[in-house]
Amino acid sequence: DGGITQSPKYLFRKEGQNVTLSCEQNLNHDAMYWYRQDPGQGLRLIYYSQIVNDFQKGDIAEGYSVSREKKESFPLTVTSAQKNPTAFYLCASSPSDRRDSPLHFGNGTRLTVT
Amino acid sequence: AQKVTQAQTEISVVEKEDVTLDCVYETRDTTYYLFWYKQPPSGELVFLIRRNSFDEQNEISGRYSWNFQKSTSSFNFTITASQVVDSAVYFCALSKGTDSWGKLQFGAGTQVVVTP
Repeated sequence: DGGITQSPKYLFRKEGQNVTLSCEQNLNHDAMYWYRQDPGQGLRLIYYSQIVNDFQKGDIAEGYSVSREKKESFPLTVTSAQKNPTAFYLCASSPSDRRDSPLHFGNGTRLTVT
Repeated sequence: AQKVTQAQTEISVVEKEDVTLDCVYETRDTTYYLFWYKQPPSGELVFLIRRNSFDEQNEISGRYSWNFQKSTSSFNFTITASQVVDSAVYFCALSKGTDSWGKLQFGAGTQVVVTP
């Protein structure tokens, strides 16, 4: 079955360390996204990519970095510059040529930084 | 600026009761899309419905129904005869921007708790 795989499900890091969250999709979608979810705040867009080797900042990109070397993969690095990294991170994808196409989400990674 | 407001933080009902989730949005775009997503305890967001700004027909899908009223900028969601499996967080979202269709403005979500 096609879908989006995020790993790991839970991630713990010490403050000051960079950490990379994995996102892989086999839906053959061109576009991929990273959203951050905090309690009571809904989801906020971090980065998005419409094609390989191209990506754009979302609303809260500071302290994060991404790469898109392959169509299937869109890893997110949470750097030490991110002041409040503890959150639930969701990766999503969609066919970029359909405006009304809904996003397909992964199961998320819960990151805890202490 | 675009904004989505879900004023209800949490709604608790007993099984078989109906529950209505409110969603009010703000946008200057003339063409836009509205979505509802369900987030069960597993964490994954599940797509429920989309509506474009030119289609104000109400829609029913099983026990779910949606009421889109452009005049009041609202896109409300009703679950009829609720079941325990409906317990989840529900998000209303609005499409924003024209360079990427996945850029959504989400509301804060409404937690629905259905007890037997």
